[in-house]
Amino acid sequence: DVKVTQSSRYLVKRTGEKVFLECVQDMDHENMFWYRQDPGLGLRLIYFSYDVKMKEKGDIPEGYSVSREKKERFSLILESASTNQTSMYLCASSSSGPGGEQYFGPGTRLTVT
Amino acid sequence: QKEVEQDPGPLSVPEGAIVSLNCTYSNSAFQYFMWYRQYSRKGPELLMYTYSSGNKEDGRFTAQVDKSSKYISLFIRDSQPSDSATYLCAMSEGRSGAGSYQLTFGKGTKLSVIP
Repeated sequence: DVKVTQSSRYLVKRTGEKVFLECVQDMDHENMFWYRQDPGLGLRLIYFSYDVKMKEKGDIPEGYSVSREKKERFSLILESASTNQTSMYLCASSSSGPGGEQYFGPGTRLTVT
Repeated sequence: QKEVEQDPGPLSVPEGAIVSLNCTYSNSAFQYFMWYRQYSRKGPELLMYTYSSGNKEDGRFTAQVDKSSKYISLFIRDSQPSDSATYLCAMSEGRSGAGSYQLTFGKGTKLSVIP
């Protein structure tokens, strides 16, 4: 079974703090993704990566950056957390097979106060 | 026009009912179709995966794709309280080879199965 793990289930940070969210997958997948999920807005793609050290902006990259130094690990960084970044953050991975089905981690519920 | 439309519900049914969840889409290039189940405060879990048109059955779940109508469905037979979750549809054009490709998601339908 594919396993995607995220470093924290719940996180509380203060405005202006730098926040690191880590994601690790154990299936040797090429592609990794970071989403945020908010009520009524669905899943929104922040960044994705199709290879080590490669990254592509998604639909809402502002205020975020990412790092992929190893194939299995993809980090999301909030440079200066703001209250409007309070959300559920989901990491996913997929192989480069034709369908692109993604496998998700359990999510990190981030609250910025 | 949004690429994928999904009724957010909530949908409430009695235990044992047949549930029908649906998505419509506008991009005729979509070829791969998925259904995810998401329990409250958890990550989405891949439930069904289909390619092109037709039906796929897995236990109590049947996924149906009608590409001519740009319409996909998930049927749940003999629904159980444990089926209570949000169901998201997702689809892709299915680019192969090196490079990235994304899924386009519906916003999800919240289902409650009442004992």
